[in-house]
Amino acid sequence: SQTIHQWPATLVQPVGSPLSLECTVEGTSNPNLYWYRQAAGRGLQLLFYSVGIGQISSEVPQNLSASRPQDRQFILSSKKLLLSDSGFYLCACPGTGGDEQYFGPGTRLTVT
Amino acid sequence: GQSLEQPSEVTAVEGAIVQINCTYQTSGFYGLSWYQQHDGGAPTFLSYNALDGLEETGRFSSFLSRSDSYGYLLLQELQMKDSASYFCAVKGTGGFKTIFGAGTRLFVKA
Repeated sequence: SQTIHQWPATLVQPVGSPLSLECTVEGTSNPNLYWYRQAAGRGLQLLFYSVGIGQISSEVPQNLSASRPQDRQFILSSKKLLLSDSGFYLCACPGTGGDEQYFGPGTRLTVT
Repeated sequence: GQSLEQPSEVTAVEGAIVQINCTYQTSGFYGLSWYQQHDGGAPTFLSYNALDGLEETGRFSSFLSRSDSYGYLLLQELQMKDSASYFCAVKGTGGFKTIFGAGTRLFVKA
């Protein structure tokens, strides 16, 4: 079965600073990969998904970007963070059944 | 576009049965799934319905009616540990994307 690693687990960054969140996946090859954001007490918002290396689809226009430099690596970035970027960032891939989303442990970002 | 509606909060007592409803609008439909999320944790998958009817997994069951664009999650023999947020989600256009509802916060009281 697959395992998703995300780091860091928590992050506090000032407004205007850059961001780089990393997600790596083990136990599967060429997975579809997803970045979600969850604001406090809210649902999950799909930010980006990727069906392969270098292929990124953006769901929400914002100051974030994503890249997939390797098959099992998915990176979320920003050049200048906004207060509204605070939230719980989750990386996901399809589960073993194919129909479900399997989530990593998440990164909790606070922009101050 | 795609949207899902579910109640924001439900409260029930330990040992009872609770039903969490979900209605959806989507362009292209591949299935309705349910996830549980405890405070501070990541969502975990509970069930998936691609066809109409009831799917049972232990104390949890999930139902889908595609003609009504409606589904529900049924939790039986509620336990305190079931206190969590529950999200319905649809797998839509092209089967690549899963879109989540805003979540239902379930409070289980003793």
